Amino acid sequence: NAGVTQTPKFQVLKTGQSMTLQCAQDMNHNSMYWYRQDPGMGLRLIYYSASEGTTDKGEVPNGYNVSRLNKREFSLRLESAAPSQTSVYFCASRLLGVGQPQHFGDGTRLSIL
Amino acid sequence: LAKTTQPISMDSYEGQEVNITCSHNNIATNDYITWYQQFPSQGPRFIIQGYKTKVTNEVASLFIPADRKSSTLSLPRVSLSDTAVYYCLVGDRTTGANNLFFGTGTRLTVIP
Repeated sequence: NAGVTQTPKFQVLKTGQSMTLQCAQDMNHNSMYWYRQDPGMGLRLIYYSASEGTTDKGEVPNGYNVSRLNKREFSLRLESAAPSQTSVYFCASRLLGVGQPQHFGDGTRLSIL
Repeated sequence: LAKTTQPISMDSYEGQEVNITCSHNNIATNDYITWYQQFPSQGPRFIIQGYKTKVTNEVASLFIPADRKSSTLSLPRVSLSDTAVYYCLVGDRTTGANNLFFGTGTRLTVIP
């Protein structure tokens, strides 16, 4: 069982370039999330999708867009990358219901020069 | 958005019990308390979750006092492989929004 799969695992971009980070889950989960984690910091929520067809902003949405392509896939797009967006990006998914935890992928390490 | 406060770091010797306390003074009625573990270069992994009193599973126990303004994660007899960052989260489980604030976590180092 693959769980949450993120691609790519590593990427280096130049300032101003665009990029889409991909996330897919095979657990039939309803909700999906994108977080960023800067060195020595906790995770900060960028965007989330409570269910297929809906997306909402989290704590740090500026500079990002998301698409909930279907129930399995939730992508994160950087339209014009900036050095401040250098971070590790984590995708998570969750089944709706009391007591259901989030399941995380292993992250995409993104460097913007 | 209920935020949490945890110690930045803790050290423990192998075989000891470790207790990590989290403060969440603004916890709301519908909020649950969840703990995650994160190893380097990996995503966080769910450990345990609770609403009130005590919860125990195969890896940890979670103690929540009656006022719910704090919680304590207890790891029995830690080993070197328990060295990780531990996050306490407070969030609303009754809606799909599920706003969660991770904070900086507690870096636990287990010493041989």
